[in-house]
Formats: sequence, structure tokens, C-alpha cells
Amino acid sequence: DVKVTQSSRYLVKRTGEKVFLECVQDMDHENMFWYRQDPGLGLRLIYFSYDVKMKEKGDIPEGYSVSREKKERFSLILESASTNQTSMYLCASSMGGRQETQYFGPGTRLLVL
Amino acid sequence: QKEVEQDPGPLSVPEGAIVSLNCTYSNSAFQYFMWYRQYSRKGPELLMYTYSSGNKEDGRFTAQVDKSSKYISLFIRDSQPSDSATYLCAMRATGYQKVTFGIGTKLQVIP
Repeated sequence: DVKVTQSSRYLVKRTGEKVFLECVQDMDHENMFWYRQDPGLGLRLIYFSYDVKMKEKGDIPEGYSVSREKKERFSLILESASTNQTSMYLCASSMGGRQETQYFGPGTRLLVL
Repeated sequence: QKEVEQDPGPLSVPEGAIVSLNCTYSNSAFQYFMWYRQYSRKGPELLMYTYSSGNKEDGRFTAQVDKSSKYISLFIRDSQPSDSATYLCAMRATGYQKVTFGIGTKLQVIP
């Protein structure tokens, strides 16, 4: 079974803090993704990576950056957290190629005060 | 207009009912269609995966794709309280990693 883990289930941070969210997958997947999920807005893609050290902007990259130094690990960084970044953050990974099925982690609920 | 439209519900049905969940889309390039189930405070889990048009059945679940109408459906037979969750449709075009998700339909199955 594919396993995608996220470093925290719940996180509370203050405005202006730098926040790191980490995601690890154990299936040697090529692609990794970061989404945020908000009521009424659904899942929105922040960034994705199709290889180590490669990244592509998604639909809402502003205020975020990412890092992928190893194939199994993909980090989302909030350089200076703001209250409008309070959300559920979901990481996903996929094998790549035709079988582009994404497998999700359990999510991190981030509250920025 | 959104690329993928999905009624957010909520949809309440009695146990044992047949549930029909639907999405419409506008991008004719979409070839891969998925349904995810998401329980409260959990990540989405893949339920069904289909390529192009047609039907696919897995136990109590049937996924249908009608590309001519740009319409996909998920049917749940003999619905159970454990089916209570949010169901997200998702789709992508050939050659693209990006998946476009519907907003999700919240389903409640009443015992």
C-alpha cells in the first residue's frame, strides 16, 4: 500500500512565523503535490514537483515555497504566515506517466493566529 | 465557469438507498476520471479510476463516464452509514500531471 505521511496533524502558529510542513512518501513516486482545502473552494494546487529539485507553480503559489531535496520528501514553506493561510494542507504523490493516480496524506490543519 | 462542477450537497439518504453522485466538466481533453472519498478530518482516498468513456464496477460502487455529455457519475448501491463522507470527482488530460478536482459532495446515510 502507498503510504504518504505528513509531519503534523494539527499546527498552531502566529502571524509572521515561518512554517514548515513536511511530507514523506514510501513508494518511490516521481511526482509530489501540495494542496490546500477550504470550505466552498475545494482542493487547490499550491505547488508540485515531478523530480528531485524540480518544482512547478500550481494555481495559488503566492506566499508559499517548496523544497524537494530527496525523492521521498517534499516540504511546503510558509515564509511569513498570515491568517488567510489558515487551512487544511494536503500532500499527495503519484507514480507519473499514464497511471497518474494521486495518493493523499492525512492532512495538516494549520491555524494561524 | 469552473472546469469541473459538482453539487456540494449535503445529500441525505436512508440506509439501503441507491446514491447517485455527479460531476460535469468543460475540458474535452480530460481522459482520466477518478472518484475520491474523504472522511471528516482525513485525506482523500481513491475509490474509483476510469479511463475514457464507459462503466466500471467495484463491489457496491459503479463509476460511469459519458464523454459526449461531459458528465460523470458515481453510484453507490445498498448505501451504508459508513459511506457517509465527502465524495470528490477528479479528472485530468493525457500528458498532464495536474488533476482538477470538483468541490466535493457531502453525503450522509441515515441508519
